[in-house]
Amino acid sequence: AQKITQTQPGMFVQEKEAVTLDCTYDTSDPSYGLFWYKQPSSGEMIFLIYQGSYDQQNATEGRYSLNFQKARKSANLVISASQLGDSAMYFCAMREGLGTGRRALTFGSGTRLQVQP
Amino acid sequence: SAVISQKPSRDICQRGTSLTIQCQVDSQVTMMFWYRQQPGQSLTLIATANQGSEATYESGFVIDKFPISRPNLTFSTLTVSNMSPEDSSIYLCSVEVGLGFYGYTFGSGTRLTVV
Repeated sequence: AQKITQTQPGMFVQEKEAVTLDCTYDTSDPSYGLFWYKQPSSGEMIFLIYQGSYDQQNATEGRYSLNFQKARKSANLVISASQLGDSAMYFCAMREGLGTGRRALTFGSGTRLQVQP
Repeated sequence: SAVISQKPSRDICQRGTSLTIQCQVDSQVTMMFWYRQQPGQSLTLIATANQGSEATYESGFVIDKFPISRPNLTFSTLTVSNMSPEDSSIYLCSVEVGLGFYGYTFGSGTRLTVV
């Protein structure tokens, strides 16, 4: 079974509008972390935002916010006021067993976002 | 946060040859992770490298094909051996920042093309 599912292979958004990128996850571990990364065409991985499973509030970082719905096991990324430079691949990732066990990230398949002027 | 210098950034190699990718971190880290990203695909973990012990490989990856060295807490290499066109991918190293609560830092990646 897929641990991280991103159902939107590609998304378009108009410049200055908001966009939501979907991510659902599957884990039986009560302690986990969810991450979003941006990968421009250059190939580098840029960390955007983190949400811990015990965090009471949704994470925010500038124009990025994470809509965390624990019961639904979803962790959607919201980008407000899209900019042309936001055009990239976006990956949702999870680390289970925070502080113990497997410490590598598991990635979803990604969503390619294109911002249109 | 840690800064990783990954080399080479790209290479074009002949099939049957080997390429060694290096990652240098500006601070000591316990674990380093090596990922492969095939064209148009997501990142797949190859192995986890601890200093002073054998790397732990994921299913589908073997040491003979992807030998890893981790001689100290700031450096690691991944070798792609006996390459075929199917090995054409981006290879990335990564380290934890903190205990995973603040993200994982990635090297800039090595874009490998095998001809």
